[in-house]
Amino acid sequence: SQQGEEDPQALSIQEGENATMNCSYKTSINNLQWYRQNSGRGLVHLILIRSNEREKHSGRLRVTLDTSKKSSSLLITASRAADTASYFCATDDGGFKTIFGAGTRLFVKA
Amino acid sequence: GAVVSQHPSWVICKSGTSVKIECRSLDFQATTMFWYRQFPKQSLMLMATSNEGSKATYEQGVEKDKFLINHASLTLSTLTVTSAHPEDSSFYICSATQTGSEAFFGQGTRLTVV
Repeated sequence: SQQGEEDPQALSIQEGENATMNCSYKTSINNLQWYRQNSGRGLVHLILIRSNEREKHSGRLRVTLDTSKKSSSLLITASRAADTASYFCATDDGGFKTIFGAGTRLFVKA
Repeated sequence: GAVVSQHPSWVICKSGTSVKIECRSLDFQATTMFWYRQFPKQSLMLMATSNEGSKATYEQGVEKDKFLINHASLTLSTLTVTSAHPEDSSFYICSATQTGSEAFFGQGTRLTVV
């Protein structure tokens, strides 16, 4: 089962631009995480934001969480060609079962 | 962060044979492990949840007799794809968690059934 949807499904930008991806979910959550996956590879954990947090930063990443709207966004600033990958949000309902969104495929053109 | 190792990283097998995939938590005891499947250009779909010493709980639509899960110890869970067919070709990923902690993911196993 999937928790929610991600928007956009695909995003193509120029190097140096910012990339924003949105994620919506359906049920109450304990935390929300963002992962990155290069083509055919495993997951790389990017950032975790807890349900009582509204915003979190890590390097060029900024994540927001709006529990009233059941949505989150991931902003990648000053994107690089190496940021090309698929990005997934994933929610944990407190039962430690991580459910993934559909993902956004980001392509950063050099 | 904690380390979860998955083996093998890729496997090719003949149609009708069985394949076993291992998921190990290397530096912590995993009370719960999860198995996911990912088809090309799609998201990760949860297949089953396994707790050490008990039967796995399968998600709706996942055949428990085809995907055998064993979680015999606190550091090892195995997924066996029985009588594999080409449509079972996929990327399989496990994750492991301790009670009260976040989940850590293995690097995945790419299964190709020919």
